[in-house]
Amino acid sequence: AQSVAQPEDQVNVAEGNPLTVKCTYSVSGNPYLFWYVQYPNRGLQFLLKYITGDNLVKGSYGFEAEFNKSQTSFHLKKPSALVSDSALYFCAVRPGSARQLTFGSGTQLTVLP
Amino acid sequence: GAGVSQSPSNKVTEKGKDVELRCDPISGHTALYWYRQRLGQGLEFLIYFQGNSAPDKSGLPSDRFSAERTGESVSTLTIQRTQQEDSAVYLCASTRETANYGYTFGSGTRLTVV
Repeated sequence: AQSVAQPEDQVNVAEGNPLTVKCTYSVSGNPYLFWYVQYPNRGLQFLLKYITGDNLVKGSYGFEAEFNKSQTSFHLKKPSALVSDSALYFCAVRPGSARQLTFGSGTQLTVLP
Repeated sequence: GAGVSQSPSNKVTEKGKDVELRCDPISGHTALYWYRQRLGQGLEFLIYFQGNSAPDKSGLPSDRFSAERTGESVSTLTIQRTQQEDSAVYLCASTRETANYGYTFGSGTRLTVV
């Protein structure tokens, strides 16, 4: 069965600094990987995905993620954090054979002014 | 519609009552998913519909939970004899047939069982 780990419940970063939100996964076969963001009292919003191709994926709001097959990781990054990036971030994985996504437990990102 | 619509946005119910949650997916999205998000936790898969195929019910936590969807239209999630542990946000998502596109989520229904 597939699984996703987000080892950090909380990440704090100063505005203007680079941010990283970590994600590792376990899945049989080639993974399809996703990042979603959830703002308070809102549904999840799609940020970016890796299906195939370049390991560095660029998404919405200046976010990017790097697929590392050897380390089974898909960390979310942004070169310069904004206070408005403060939200709950979820990593998700889907093996090619499945239809539903398996989500991690989420990481609360707080960007301090 | 422009997005996935869920209703009601909030529901408070007494323990033991039945509740029905509604999801109206994006037009043309053949796949529809229900997830549950308990406070401070990740998303828990409940059920998946794909067109007219038999639904994948593998995530439903008990036989008190059921869901229906007719074709590619509205879905309803029903919880019978609600318990306090059913309190959560219930999220619906839809996508085109291949989930490569990623999900579009609704804003959820916050269910509180008192």
